[in-house]
Amino acid sequence: GQNIDQPTEMTATEGAIVQINCTYQTSGFNGLFWYQQHAGEAPTFLSYNVLDGLEEKGRFSSFLSRSKGYSYLLLKELQMKDSASYLCAVRVSSASKIIFGSGTRLSIRP
Amino acid sequence: DVKVTQSSRYLVKRTGEKVFLECVQDMDHENMFWYRQDPGLGLRLIYFSYDVKMKEKGDIPEGYSVSREKKERFSLILESASTNQTSMYLCASSLNLGRTEAFFGQGTRLTVV
Repeated sequence: GQNIDQPTEMTATEGAIVQINCTYQTSGFNGLFWYQQHAGEAPTFLSYNVLDGLEEKGRFSSFLSRSKGYSYLLLKELQMKDSASYLCAVRVSSASKIIFGSGTRLSIRP
Repeated sequence: DVKVTQSSRYLVKRTGEKVFLECVQDMDHENMFWYRQDPGLGLRLIYFSYDVKMKEKGDIPEGYSVSREKKERFSLILESASTNQTSMYLCASSLNLGRTEAFFGQGTRLTVV
């Protein structure tokens, strides 16, 4: 079966750093995505990892370890507008199928 | 910019009605997806299509069907709507090679009464 796990909720302080973890067990792997979704809006793409290691994009970084079935999203210098749900998704090889975890709701406090 | 457009933002239908949700993308993407999103359950894949007239079941296809007659259009059909199909429906599209992230439409909030 396919399984993607992430924490349901997290809270962090404005200006701090937060790490959101994602573990996956899928029948095949062809890349991992992170999306941000504000309440009432569609998900928007943040990052993509297909090889092991760290991808950095401004305040956001994403890490992948394929052997461990593990990824994290690192958000630095947190801002109030970062309050949102963060979705981990895996592109399953053998098809173009993209499946999502349940998402992590991140709340930022002043 | 990629644009994925869903035909309705809000929809209210009666139990037993046949419901069509339409999605159009303008970037020549091979892949198109229909998800539903419910609180605590995240996005669950209903169906996806990797080419015209080609489709594959996702994780929760029961009660749904799809149609892809043209590359840019992917329709989700609720054959006989039921109250447990009340949900947010999200359409997405992606390329097969290169930048393969999914781009989403704005979503359709469907209420079945």
